[in-house]
Amino acid sequence: GAGVSQSPSNKVTEKGKDVELRCDPISGHTALYWYRQSLGQGLEFLIYFQGNSAPDKSGLPSDRFSAERTGGSVSTLTIQRTQQEDSAVYLCASTGGGANTGELFFGEGSRLTVL
Amino acid sequence: GQQLNQSPQSMFIQEGEDVSMNCTSSSIFNTWLWYKQDPGEGPVLLIALYKAGELTSNGRLTAQFGITRKDSFLNISASIPSDVGIYFCAGYNFNKFYFGSGTKLNVKP
Repeated sequence: GAGVSQSPSNKVTEKGKDVELRCDPISGHTALYWYRQSLGQGLEFLIYFQGNSAPDKSGLPSDRFSAERTGGSVSTLTIQRTQQEDSAVYLCASTGGGANTGELFFGEGSRLTVL
Repeated sequence: GQQLNQSPQSMFIQEGEDVSMNCTSSSIFNTWLWYKQDPGEGPVLLIALYKAGELTSNGRLTAQFGITRKDSFLNISASIPSDVGIYFCAGYNFNKFYFGSGTKLNVKP
């Protein structure tokens, strides 16, 4: 697609439930990043994919968080047994290789609210 | 890890005024980026800088990649109400992006 697409745009869930957030990067972009942004805060790095591999998952807050990427394209971020502190906007971004490697393009985000 | 210090944290200015914000780091970067984020949306890339000393403009926006590669600034000239938002700097090295904490810009008509 023309831009990074994320779904759902909003998700309200009950504490303890699992959620899946989806990211469809810009076509042809090899690298994909997930960030978390709490209300009024900056961007917290979660995980980075190069192709289908995740060379850096150091930002995942706990083992309740996992992510995968298939076909070098779509990525899913899964949060198991959600807690109220998981409430935030989850942003996905992608970048292509070569001369544009340093340009990161973001989706609109998925706003997660855990009740 | 590599930390970016972005200042000011917030600004209140009058429409028509010029604005300047900057980012500094203790580490050098290969690329500096500036983003704007409107409420409820993802950050949008404004300017990308690739070379030390580079000065790049995008309309009323001008950004510079510091000579030491450890800093960058963003200027907005003749501000207008739609400039309101949060501006983030980012440094890029070796497949990793580091973000500043943001500058919240308020413009009074």
